[in-house]
Parts: sequence; C-alpha cells; structure tokens
Amino acid sequence: QVPLQESGPGLVKPSETLSLTCTVSGGSVSSEGYFWNWIRQPPGKGLEWIGYVSYIGSTTYNPSLKSRVTISLDTSKNQFSLKLNSVTAADTAVYFCARFYQLLTSYPFDYWGQGTLVTVSS
Amino acid sequence: DIQMTQSPSSLSASVGDRVTITCRASQIIGTHFNWYHQKPGKAPKLLIYDASSLQSGVPSRFSGSGSGTDFTLTISSLQPEDFGTYYCQQSYIAPRTFGQGTNVELK
Repeated sequence: QVPLQESGPGLVKPSETLSLTCTVSGGSVSSEGYFWNWIRQPPGKGLEWIGYVSYIGSTTYNPSLKSRVTISLDTSKNQFSLKLNSVTAADTAVYFCARFYQLLTSYPFDYWGQGTLVTVSS
Repeated sequence: DIQMTQSPSSLSASVGDRVTITCRASQIIGTHFNWYHQKPGKAPKLLIYDASSLQSGVPSRFSGSGSGTDFTLTISSLQPEDFGTYYCQQSYIAPRTFGQGTNVELK
C-alpha cells in the first residue's frame, strides 16, 4: 500500500512555477499530529527538505527556498500541494511527498510517495 | 543549519558481513535522529527512528545507537537486499537536514 502519491507536470520552463500535488489515501490530512512534507533529490545527489504544512495548515519552510515556496493543504480533496516559483535548472529533481507524526520525538518520515521527476528546461 | 556528516561515503561489502555507518551532527541534537535506506529509483525507507528504535517491519539485523552528536547504524549480517544508499537525518530543528549518504555496494 502506498498512501501518498505525487502528481504534476514533469517539465517546467525556466522562470515559471513548479506545481505538484500529493494525494493522501492512507488517512486524513487533517488528522491531529500529522505533518505533510516535500523533499527533493537532484539526479545523483542527496536529499533536501523543502518544508511542511501541518494538519491545521501552518507551514515551515527551508530558509534556502523560503522566498519561492508555498505549501498548502486541501482538506476537501485530502491533498497537499507544493508551489515553487522562478525555477531554474538547479530545481531539477525528483520531488517526494512524505509525512511525519508529531508524537514520535524524532519526527521520522515514515511514509513517502514514490517520487516524481521534474525537469526545468526550455 | 545543522550539518550531518556521514562516513564512509561508500563501502564495498559481502553478503554476511557486519557493516557500520556513522553520522556526526554539527551540534547536539539529542536523539532527534533517523536512518533511511534508499534503493535506486525508489523513495527512502525509514529504518531507525529516535536514534535506536527499529521501525515496524524492519529486520532485526539493523540497529542504531548514539545520542548528542555521534550516531551509528549497524547491519549485523548484510543481505542482498541491503545494498543501496543509507542516509541519516536530524529533526532537532528546522530545516531538517540529511547526511550526504553512504553507498553500500557488493564486493
């Protein structure tokens, strides 16, 4: 069972906005204590945490991306989304959605989507 | 940001070998620390949380230890399905940060 699934365009032009959605099927995005994250991995490189939206809609972002990122919750569709504006080739990566649960003290990412490759190119 | 430094960056091992990977945080993080395993083309999979707690469904040959700044992942007897890249991660403060990864290859 894969309770998280990313979707969105696989190709984005430079300077435009990258938009992805994560559909959650293994529970409600508004269930207390759950935090919904975006993490990315450039080809052949390591993992970078982008940010999260909480079950009540509050957000925290990586300062390195904060000026360009918006993560939001859609409880009616049981989804959360990522918008990254003014993209460049450096934003080319596999984008993962993942969750952590607040009651585990180390807030581990216990469920992940399969990931979706987004390429920034004209 | 808290920097996470793994060693080694890569290693070659045989099935049945005991494997140890270490991770050092640039500041004290208590046990707000996790280990993941990633195979090519797949999402990372949680192995260890809270530095030493085994995630449900993960084989007991995996174990974690440490607190403060120094952490260790041990695989007691390497199996064919254990090859891939291992990442450490801190959750003490945002931004959550990962180590650079340790690639475990077949000797």
